Amino acid sequence: GQQVMQIPQYQHVQEGEDFTTYCNSSTTLSNIQWYKQRPGGHPVFLIQLVKSGEVKKQKRLTFQFGEAKKNSSLHITATQTTDVGTYFCAGRGGGADGLTFGKGTHLIIQP
Amino acid sequence: GAVVSQHPSWVICKSGTSVKIECRSLDFQATTMFWYRQFPKQSLMLMATSNEGSKATYEQGVEKDKFLINHASLTLSTLTVTSAHPEDSSFYICSPLGGSSYEQYFGPGTRLTVT
Repeated sequence: GQQVMQIPQYQHVQEGEDFTTYCNSSTTLSNIQWYKQRPGGHPVFLIQLVKSGEVKKQKRLTFQFGEAKKNSSLHITATQTTDVGTYFCAGRGGGADGLTFGKGTHLIIQP
Repeated sequence: GAVVSQHPSWVICKSGTSVKIECRSLDFQATTMFWYRQFPKQSLMLMATSNEGSKATYEQGVEKDKFLINHASLTLSTLTVTSAHPEDSSFYICSPLGGSSYEQYFGPGTRLTVT
């Protein structure tokens, strides 16, 4: 079955430093979505990428979808304490398939 | 975004009992409902997919007789954990899909603790 690998599992950064998490799928994806989950909370949708090579920005967050539609990355510039949480990528193979989630990257920010 | 409610938000039950979790999509019709499970500090794992009025499709390793899913209407789906065991303790999250699949909405989750 489809597998989505995400690294790193944990990332400690000083406030103000940049942060990047990477996802790689074993199969080609129809789209990939990114979610943020705060401790005790549920995943909150951040963005969806559909097109090969797509790049989208949301303020300090930059999302990329690889040319082969098998990998993706999320980059945060100048992290702030509010960025703390776990970032998940989730890929969809096609149609109305359920999302396959990566294991997530736990972002810990030291002030 | 869409409003999805789950009830209860947390429940503690004794081993061997059954627990029903309700998921409601309050402002759109969910033709498909996904149920996920998340163990502490782990990712979300898809348990099953159900379409309104049809039997649910379960992922490999998920027992259909243990996790009963009912999706009788476009706004309500239920997950019943039967004969619960401590290893079933987890965070259960529903996720309805309806209309545009641009983004997938998640319920607030139900934290189940089996003692």
